[in-house]
Amino acid sequence: EDQVTQSPEALRLQEGESSSLNCSYTVSGLRGLFWYRQDPGKGPEFLFTLYSAGEEKEKERLKATLTKKESFLHITAPKPEDSATYLCAVVYGQNFVFGPGTRLSVLP
Amino acid sequence: DAGITQSPRHKVTETGTPVTLRCHQTENHRYMYWYRQDPGHGLRLIHYSYGVKDTDKGEVSDGYSVSRSKTEDFLLTLESATSSQTSVYFCAISENVGANVLTFGAGSRLTVL
Repeated sequence: EDQVTQSPEALRLQEGESSSLNCSYTVSGLRGLFWYRQDPGKGPEFLFTLYSAGEEKEKERLKATLTKKESFLHITAPKPEDSATYLCAVVYGQNFVFGPGTRLSVLP
Repeated sequence: DAGITQSPRHKVTETGTPVTLRCHQTENHRYMYWYRQDPGHGLRLIHYSYGVKDTDKGEVSDGYSVSRSKTEDFLLTLESATSSQTSVYFCAISENVGANVLTFGAGSRLTVL
């Protein structure tokens, strides 16, 4: 069964404390891996798309990387405004499969 | 939210009543989607549309129907709401199918008592 898992389920960091979120997938024929940010009461907001192993994308304090079976979202020196739920999704064929998300809290 | 409007944003209804959620876009995108989001689950696809009057089922389509009579509007209908359909519903749009960015609306929170 095609599946996307994310870990940890929740993460609390102190401001400035760097860490990584994991997205693992078992789908075959991957056509793309997406990272989204979701704030409470809002819809997911697009962050990155990765297409092939070894690819990296960066935006401010966030860097996404991709291997053959997982992706990491690295957060460097996070700030309280980075607090959100981070979702990953993989595309195979015409379908998106979303992971359950990692809820990140960054404390001042 | 990038030209996507969902209505209503909040609704409380009773079991057995019909409910319609509306998604309106101003981006002229061909593809529109309805997802539901529940704690512990990822976003799950209910139905999607690839053009006016062209729709197809997603992985959790039972109990839901959709209609798209205009490019800009995609309606999700629960013919007879059940408590298991209590959820947050998101509409999304994309220019193309597959590996193309989804842009989401703000969501509609539905509670079925």
